[in-house]
Amino acid sequence: ETGVTQTPRHLVMGMTNKKSLKCEQHLGHNAMYWYKQSAKKPLELMFVYSLEERVENNSVPSRFSPECPNSSHLFLHLHTLQPEDSALYLCASSPRLEAYNEQFFGPGTRLTVL
Amino acid sequence: GQNIDQPTEMTATEGAIVQINCTYQTSGFNGLFWYQQHAGEAPTFLSYNVLDGLEEKGRFSSFLSRSKGYSYLLLKELQMKDSASYLCAVSDSNYQLIWGAGTKLIIKP
Repeated sequence: ETGVTQTPRHLVMGMTNKKSLKCEQHLGHNAMYWYKQSAKKPLELMFVYSLEERVENNSVPSRFSPECPNSSHLFLHLHTLQPEDSALYLCASSPRLEAYNEQFFGPGTRLTVL
Repeated sequence: GQNIDQPTEMTATEGAIVQINCTYQTSGFNGLFWYQQHAGEAPTFLSYNVLDGLEEKGRFSSFLSRSKGYSYLLLKELQMKDSASYLCAVSDSNYQLIWGAGTKLIIKP
């Protein structure tokens, strides 16, 4: 256990559905991240939050909408996704945004878009 | 552009030593990380290098040469549980992690 939990662990949704992914960290960290991991591809950073403020949005389609209500919780709202969005979505946290801070990852949500 | 290169897959024998290489070209450099990821699990931190040289931590060591844009992860006395993917990541000028695609390490008895 890394201290970062994600729900659900698996999600199957149609292209017209709306769903949300949840991440919670119990480490007292100030920075949280959403990553997309596709098979045999590098981890893609999607969003970064520091002290509940978004500091980075790496050209992610608007069908992905993040929300960070407090420093312990992070959501990823999904709307009208495409089949190519099927992937493992990982949440991570770190004490702060500084370079030397290791990131602690949750187990991920395996998303399948039909 | 930013690029991290590492071999896709490597095979080694239990008890042996294996070196996994990583080369990088990034906009700025604020350190290099190695993570281990077992199949179906989250990545977990192994090492962080920001200065040139070798950092040793038990059976695992990590080396960095900033002038060459090169790092390696050295695993000694390989065990079956070391079968996993090993991810190289560089912290760029904005402190964002740029990731390689990972090296899948297969350990054979």
